[in-house]
Amino acid sequence: GQNIDQPTEMTATEGAIVQINCTYQTSGFNGLFWYQQHAGEAPTFLSYNVLDGLEEKGRFSSFLSRSKGYSYLLLKELQMKDSASYLCAGMDSNYQLIWGAGTKLIIKP
Amino acid sequence: ETGVTQTPRHLVMGMTNKKSLKCEQHLGHNAMYWYKQSAKKPLELMFVYNFKEQTENNSVPSRFSPECPNSSHLFLHLHTLQPEDSALYLCASSQKDEYNEQFFGPGTRLTVL
Repeated sequence: GQNIDQPTEMTATEGAIVQINCTYQTSGFNGLFWYQQHAGEAPTFLSYNVLDGLEEKGRFSSFLSRSKGYSYLLLKELQMKDSASYLCAGMDSNYQLIWGAGTKLIIKP
Repeated sequence: ETGVTQTPRHLVMGMTNKKSLKCEQHLGHNAMYWYKQSAKKPLELMFVYNFKEQTENNSVPSRFSPECPNSSHLFLHLHTLQPEDSALYLCASSQKDEYNEQFFGPGTRLTVL
């Protein structure tokens, strides 16, 4: 079956660094997405990885290891506005997204 | 603002009511989606339309009925819902190709009494 696993909740301190992990099992693989969702709002796109390695975009970076079925989202210099849920989604051979349940990130001052 | 709008934003309905959710995308995409989001659960894909044709129906109960009159508009008609159908209903659109980044609307928070 297809499955995406990520932690339910994480807590971090303002100004610090946090890594949110995601493991995936999909029927075929066409890439890995990360989305951010603030409470009561739409999910918004953060990153897409299809090749192994690290993609950096400002304070956010995303890593992929296809051999391990593993990805992480790295958030640096955390700000209070980064408090949100972070959704990991793998794209299968039919280009369909398989979603994780999301990681709720709580930032403390 | 993602270019995908949904109305209403909040809806409370009884189990015998009939209501409709509306989604509109202004991005020129060729695929539209309905998702159900319940607390602490993965997004559940309900329906997919490519070029107005339904291509996915993930065993959704018939009390949910989608309609896609054109590639910019998507409706979800609701009839005799159950309290467990209370959730956030999200619409998304994408340009269905190898990349397939999906753009989401703000969702409709549905409460069934």
